[in-house]
Parts: sequence; structure tokens; C-alpha cells
Amino acid sequence: KAGVTQTPRYLIKTRGQQVTLSCSPISGHRSVSWYQQTPGQGLQFLFEYFSETQRNKGNFPGRFSGRQFSNSRSEMNVSTLELGDSALYLCASSPQQGESSNQPQHFGDGTRLSIL
Amino acid sequence: QKEVEQDPGPLSVPEGAIVSLNCTYSNSAFQYFMWYRQYSRKGPELLMYTYSSGNKEDGRFTAQVDKSSKYISLFIRDSQPSDSATYLCAMSEGRGGSYIPTFGRGTSLIVHP
Repeated sequence: KAGVTQTPRYLIKTRGQQVTLSCSPISGHRSVSWYQQTPGQGLQFLFEYFSETQRNKGNFPGRFSGRQFSNSRSEMNVSTLELGDSALYLCASSPQQGESSNQPQHFGDGTRLSIL
Repeated sequence: QKEVEQDPGPLSVPEGAIVSLNCTYSNSAFQYFMWYRQYSRKGPELLMYTYSSGNKEDGRFTAQVDKSSKYISLFIRDSQPSDSATYLCAMSEGRGGSYIPTFGRGTSLIVHP
């Protein structure tokens, strides 16, 4: 079974630009979450999508947005990039259905975003 | 105080040693506990997934949860150089609460030959 696939693996952008990252979840997983990982803050939750709807949201500014398609693939967009957005962006998928269950997340290898 | 505390290390041990990695937490509603291993330039890989208190063993790995002390541990027996990685603990409330996990910052483990 193929794992979570994230593209691209590496990106270099300049301040003020915008960027779109892509994630293909494990087949059959409908929940997709995005995280930002930095040495100083660790793994921080951005948002979770399920059935094309944002179901949970972390504490990030509106410059960070996402969407999910009918095939469960997801994209994350960051607009007006700042130096502090340099990080590893991780996507995780899960078979999580409703809120009555708890299923662990499985991660991709991330997109390393560097802002110059 | 962060919700989940984890010593960043690095923890350096000789090959064959028993390794103990730990996390403490403050939210008594956490019921599901996970350990992830992350190699350099890779994403976190799920190692162990447990519910409530008790022990769970999988090969050389044992996860232990003590909810009364709000303390979880991961033991690695007969450690190998290939175990050198960052180990992240994570926990979630589950039923009736948020199933989105809260992560520790990770402990860097170095196993030298």
C-alpha cells in the first residue's frame, strides 16, 4: 500500500510570493491534516480536511489555507510568504471517520520550504 | 507550561543499551498515546499506538502509559545504530474530545557502535 505522498520535496521562494503544496493520502484515508514543523516550535497543527470540508483548524493566520478534492487529495496554500514561514510542512492521513473514533495519523516526508 | 513536555536531548547511548524515552503531559483528558520515529529528512513514522494506561510491546519496543502520573515512556531494548533518530510522543483525547494529536518536540537519540 503506497504511503502519503507530498510534492514537491523542496521549494525555495522569496518573501511576498505564494506557494501551493500537494498531498496524496493513503488509499482509503479520507482525513488529511497539515502540520508545520520547525526546530523552535516542533510540530504545529494547521488544519484537517475530511470529505472536502475543513473539520478542524489550528492557530495560524489566514494566509495559510487549504482544500481537499473529491479523491481526498489535498493542497495547502500560503500567501504573502514571510521569512518565518520557512519550515518543513507535513501532511498526515488517517482513516478517521466521525468524532467518536480515534485513528492514528500517518505522515508523508514533507515539503521543505525555504523563504529567502 | 506546554501541554506535552519532552526532553530534546540529545541522548547518546552505546549499541545494545536499553533506551528510555519519556514525555509528561498536563491534560488529563488525553486517552490515546502514540510514539513516532523521525529520521533526518523524512516524515514521522508511527511506532506505537496505545489506549489508556498500561504496557504494549512490539518487538524491541515497549510503550508504557501511567495516566495517574501523566507520564508515558518508550523503551527500546538492544538498541542499534539504525535506531538513531528523533522520537516524538503524541497524544489525543479521542471520544468526546479532540482527536487531533498534540505532539512533544521530540528527543534526539544517538546510538553509537
